[in-house]
Amino acid sequence: AQSVAQPEDQVNVAEGNPLTVKCTYSVSGNPYLFWYVQYPNRGLQFLLKYITGDNLVKGSYGFEAEFNKSQTSFHLKKPSALVSDSALYFCAVRDALYNQGGKLIFGQGTELSVKP
Amino acid sequence: EAQVTQNPRYLITVTGKKLTVTCSQNMNHEYMSWYRQDPGLGLRQIYYSMNVEVTDKGDVPEGYKVSRKEKRNFPLILESPSPNQTSLYFCASSPLDSRLGEQYFGPGTRLTVT
Repeated sequence: AQSVAQPEDQVNVAEGNPLTVKCTYSVSGNPYLFWYVQYPNRGLQFLLKYITGDNLVKGSYGFEAEFNKSQTSFHLKKPSALVSDSALYFCAVRDALYNQGGKLIFGQGTELSVKP
Repeated sequence: EAQVTQNPRYLITVTGKKLTVTCSQNMNHEYMSWYRQDPGLGLRQIYYSMNVEVTDKGDVPEGYKVSRKEKRNFPLILESPSPNQTSLYFCASSPLDSRLGEQYFGPGTRLTVT
């Protein structure tokens, strides 16, 4: 069965420092990986995705993620954190089987807190 | 503006009182889905639909029903709500022919069943 794990419930960083939010996955076949962000009282917003190609994927708001096949990881990164980046972050893998219709399987979420 | 809308945004109800949460998208997407979000569990899929009149169960379908009579709408029905259905619910949509692309999410409906 396909699964996603986010090992940290919370990540705290100081503004201006680099941030990393960790994600590991388990899939059969090729992984289709996504990061979403959820701000308070808002829906999920798409940040970036990895389907194929370059292992370093760039997304919205200055975020990027590195796909590492040997470590089955897809960590989210940003070189310099902003207070406004504080939110709940979800990693997800897409179940690419046709009869599943592309269901997203989510990790449990990581709360990112950026302090001034 | 391309969007997924849900109503109501907040709902408090009592056990056993039937309710419907509506979902509508204006992007002409074939694929629509309902998720519930619970602390420590992330989002789990309840039901999905690949097109009009085509629906199927996700991972946690018990206690829920859906229908897809029109392409834009995908209501979630709780015939007899119970307290364990207290949760945050999200509707999502995407084009079927780009299943590798991102899904678009509604703003969420926070449901409390007492």
